[in-house]
Amino acid sequence: EIVMMQSPATLSVSPGERATLSCRASQSVSSNLAWYQQKPGQAPRLLIYGASTRATGIPARFSGSGSGTEFTLTISSLQSEDFAVYYCQQYNNWPPWTFGQGTKVEIK
Amino acid sequence: QVQLVQSGAEVKKPGASVKVSCKASGYTFTSYDINWVRQATGQGLEWMGWMNPNSGNTGYAQKFQGRVTMTRNTSISTAYMELSSLRSEDTAVYYCARGGYCTGGVCLNNWFDPWGQGTLVTVSS
Repeated sequence: EIVMMQSPATLSVSPGERATLSCRASQSVSSNLAWYQQKPGQAPRLLIYGASTRATGIPARFSGSGSGTEFTLTISSLQSEDFAVYYCQQYNNWPPWTFGQGTKVEIK
Repeated sequence: QVQLVQSGAEVKKPGASVKVSCKASGYTFTSYDINWVRQATGQGLEWMGWMNPNSGNTGYAQKFQGRVTMTRNTSISTAYMELSSLRSEDTAVYYCARGGYCTGGVCLNNWFDPWGQGTLVTVSS
């Protein structure tokens, strides 16, 4: 089973600032990496797939990069609606599909 | 639009079973896998298993083997997840999510999109 590790657990950022979230896989997942956003009381929403492709309707301030074992989600200028928990997920070797433990982006 | 709508909240006693439904609309139900993921309060996402609605083939996380059963009714585009021998630790929100596009025995694009709204299952005596 591939283990996904996210850092940091919590990221405190001011509105308008840049946020950088990291995700590491225990072995290579190629570019088969997705990012999800989850707000309180809501289901997760797909943001990025293929490590760097934005899902339909996702603003351009969200960008993903990386391949192999190291991945990054960048939010270029945080808006109020971006404060949420973000999860990475590998879909290279399945089953099982595995998620990171999440990074909470909170208002500084 | 593509949508998954789940059944309502459940309260169960320890040892009982729960069956959650997930009705798909806006796409061909048998062309995409359905996955189930749960989330305990304040915790992360835990994958439980998947089902191919066309073949009925399933695969379960080792943790849930023997306790979970995933089925479907293609005539009403609905998937089901049944969890038995419930214990307090099973209290969580359960989500269904559309997975990969499957054709000719090959499944592509195996990310999860969209997700159902979630079903809270509470296990309490």
